[in-house]
Order: sequence, then structure tokens, then C-alpha cells
Amino acid sequence: AQTVTQSQPEMSVQEAETVTLSCTYDTSESDYYLFWYKQPPSRQMILVIRQEAYKQQNATENRFSVNFQKAAKSFSLKISDSQLGDAAMYFCAYRSDNNDMRFGAGTRLTVKP
Amino acid sequence: ETGVTQTPRHLVMGMTNKKSLKCEQHLGHNAMYWYKQSAKKPLELMFVYNFKEQTENNSVPSRFSPECPNSSHLFLHLHTLQPEDSALYLCASSLLAQGTSPLHFGNGTRLTVT
Repeated sequence: AQTVTQSQPEMSVQEAETVTLSCTYDTSESDYYLFWYKQPPSRQMILVIRQEAYKQQNATENRFSVNFQKAAKSFSLKISDSQLGDAAMYFCAYRSDNNDMRFGAGTRLTVKP
Repeated sequence: ETGVTQTPRHLVMGMTNKKSLKCEQHLGHNAMYWYKQSAKKPLELMFVYNFKEQTENNSVPSRFSPECPNSSHLFLHLHTLQPEDSALYLCASSLLAQGTSPLHFGNGTRLTVT
């Protein structure tokens, strides 16, 4: 079974600073896809960034970037120039062509002004 | 406009009640999902519908009954629930039921079983 582990239940960052959220996963598949979702207090899960495992280049979306280490099965999210609106629960997710999307338990990010 | 709309937003029901959760998507997606979100636990996939056909029933108790009349609408019928069923129920949709198609979520229904 594929599992996704987020080892940091809570993280905090000073506004304008950089924070990295960790995610590891377990799989025997070679082709798969990884995602980071953000869930603010409004409860709606919003896609932040995604990565195809066959791509070596790390995905970036403005202030959000990932460090994808396929051999280590690691998929961390880096948020640069943190803003107050970045405060939310962040979920790492895994999906392959043979399996449905599986989520980690989440990391609650607090941004301090 | 989220693209995925869930109603009601909040629901309180007794263990003997029957109620239904509704989900509607206007994104032209072909797959729809129900997830259960409990505190400090990963999202639990409950049901998957792909082109209106149920493709996944993740060992969900029969007191939860899904219905997908068309690719835009998804229901979750609830009856004789238990207090441990209290949670946030999230509906999602995606263009395809696999691969890189991201899930688009609704705002969820906060269910409390008394």
C-alpha cells in the first residue's frame, strides 16, 4: 500500500522568511505524481503545486517550490517570502495510474507577523 | 466560485436520522470522490465514481450510501450513523480518475452526529 508521511504536525515561520515542509512516501511504482494542497480555515483544499515523478526538474509556482528526491522518496515544499495568507494546513498527496490519491496527515503552518 | 459546491455546509443529525449530502461540479470533470476528514488523521478516501460508475468503495460501512446520477452530481446518503462518523466530508472532482489530473475540492460538509 502507498503511504504518505508528514512528520511535522506544526510549523511556524516569520513573515517574509522561508519555510520547508517535509513529506515522504512509500511506493513500489515507478511512475506516479505528487501534489501539495493547502487548506485554509475556509476548509477548501487548494492545489499548490504538483510534480510528475518522471521529471527530474523540481516544480516551481511563484513563491512555492519543491525538492523532489526520487531515490529517497522525499517531496518537500519550500515557501519563500512567507505571507500571512500562507497560514493553513498543508497536505502532501501521492497518486499513480493504478491508485487513487492518498494524503498525508497534514502540517499546520503558522505565519508570524 | 469554487467549481465544486457542497451542501449543506453544516449538518447535525441524530443517530436515527436519515440525511443526504450533495455535491455538484461545473468543471466538466469525469470523476468524483467522497473523502472523510477527521482531526489529525489523513484524508480517508470513501468512494470514487468514474464516468458515473463506482470504481472504489474503500471498506466504507453500509450506513454510508453514495449515488451518482450523472457526472456532475454526487450524493452521500446517511442513515443510522454513529458519533464517530462526525467529521468533515469533502467532495472532489477531477478530469480523469488517475494520473496528473489534480482534484478540485468543495468546501465540505461539517457533520455532527449526536
